[in-house]
Amino acid sequence: AQSVAQPEDQVNVAEGNPLTVKCTYSVSGNPYLFWYVQYPNRGLQFLLKYITGDNLVKGSYGFEAEFNKSQTSFHLKKPSALVSDSALYFCAVRPKANTGNQFYFGTGTSLTVIP
Amino acid sequence: DSGVTQTPKHLITATGQRVTLRCSPRSGDLSVYWYQQSLDQGLQFLIQYYNGEERAKGNILERFSAQQFPDLHSELNLSSLELGDSALYFCASSIGLAGADTQYFGPGTRLTVL
Repeated sequence: AQSVAQPEDQVNVAEGNPLTVKCTYSVSGNPYLFWYVQYPNRGLQFLLKYITGDNLVKGSYGFEAEFNKSQTSFHLKKPSALVSDSALYFCAVRPKANTGNQFYFGTGTSLTVIP
Repeated sequence: DSGVTQTPKHLITATGQRVTLRCSPRSGDLSVYWYQQSLDQGLQFLIQYYNGEERAKGNILERFSAQQFPDLHSELNLSSLELGDSALYFCASSIGLAGADTQYFGPGTRLTVL
């Protein structure tokens, strides 16, 4: 069965410090990997995706993510956190063999950046 | 703003009733997806349409149905509503069927069943 794990429900980080939001997956083949952010009472906003190539992907708002094939992980990172980064973050995986193109979402990680 | 619109923003109704949620995809996008977000189930894929045809089904109940019209807007119909159907319902769209296509999400419809 396909699954996506975000092992931390909550991550707290001080403003200006680096942040990491973790994601691991169990999906057959080499999937496409995505990160989305959700602000309160808003829809999901696309941050970045990994398709192929360089394992480090850069996205919106200074975020980046590192794909690690051997560890089946796709952790989201930012060198210096802002208070405005406080939100709910979702990792999503789409198997390449999945003709339905549906996402499998993690359960989300709530990030709080402390001033 | 993702370019995906959903109406209404909020919907309050009673058990046993039927409601229709509407979604307009981004201009040029042919695929539409419906998701349900609830506190206990997280984000669950319901159904996908591509250019008017159903392409994939996820955890969609038999009481729920959807369709995509020739102008590519989509509607999700929820009937015989139960308290447990209270959730945020999101529509997303993508340009086509390629796995690498990004899905862009609408702002959601919050359904409350009393």
